[in-house]
Amino acid sequence: GDSVTQMEGPVTLSEEAFLTINCTYTATGYPSLFWYVQYPGEGLQLLLKATKADDKGSNKGFEATYRKETTSFHLEKGSVQVSDSAVYFCALSDHKYSSASKIIFGSGTRLSIRP
Amino acid sequence: ETGVTQSPTHLIKTRGQQVTLRCSSQSGHNTVSWYQQALGQGPQFIFQYYREEENGRGNFPPRFSGLQFPNYSSELNVNALELDDSALYLCASSLAITDEQYFGPGTRLTVT
Repeated sequence: GDSVTQMEGPVTLSEEAFLTINCTYTATGYPSLFWYVQYPGEGLQLLLKATKADDKGSNKGFEATYRKETTSFHLEKGSVQVSDSAVYFCALSDHKYSSASKIIFGSGTRLSIRP
Repeated sequence: ETGVTQSPTHLIKTRGQQVTLRCSSQSGHNTVSWYQQALGQGPQFIFQYYREEENGRGNFPPRFSGLQFPNYSSELNVNALELDDSALYLCASSLAITDEQYFGPGTRLTVT
């Protein structure tokens, strides 16, 4: 079945460092791809998304490009801040069976930023 | 516009008991999905309700059941609780024609 594999954490960086969190997926169709963020004690927030190959999602300085040829959706940010400390989930949406979709999540990557 | 809300925030139950968790969807959203997030893991899809009907189910046993009401709010019921049911339960609402799901803050269930 469809699945998402993401870089294991925890990842610890200094403020203003460059961030990459790797994510690859397996899907038989043409899924939409997402990055969600979970701050301590909170629910999930959609960070960015891409719905077709070569689309780039971006938000709050984060970017990810839907690469069909490598089945990847890596998250990047040029200069991280302490406030970016959170758990990041890569996910895909399964469109197979209905107009409404279930989301399949990776296991999450905990990111900690040192001042 | 009110977002997705869930109640209660925290809950402690004993093995074998039953529990009901509640979710109010975002205004205008007619689809509700439930997810279980065990500690240190990503959320796992339990099931989805669309216009009061179950519309897809993940790999969870029948003791996990749900309801959706005419106002599109929803309940998740779990019978015969097991220790492994301890998790954060997340509700998400969406418009049926789009896959963008908006998540609530979750209910933390502890089974002892």
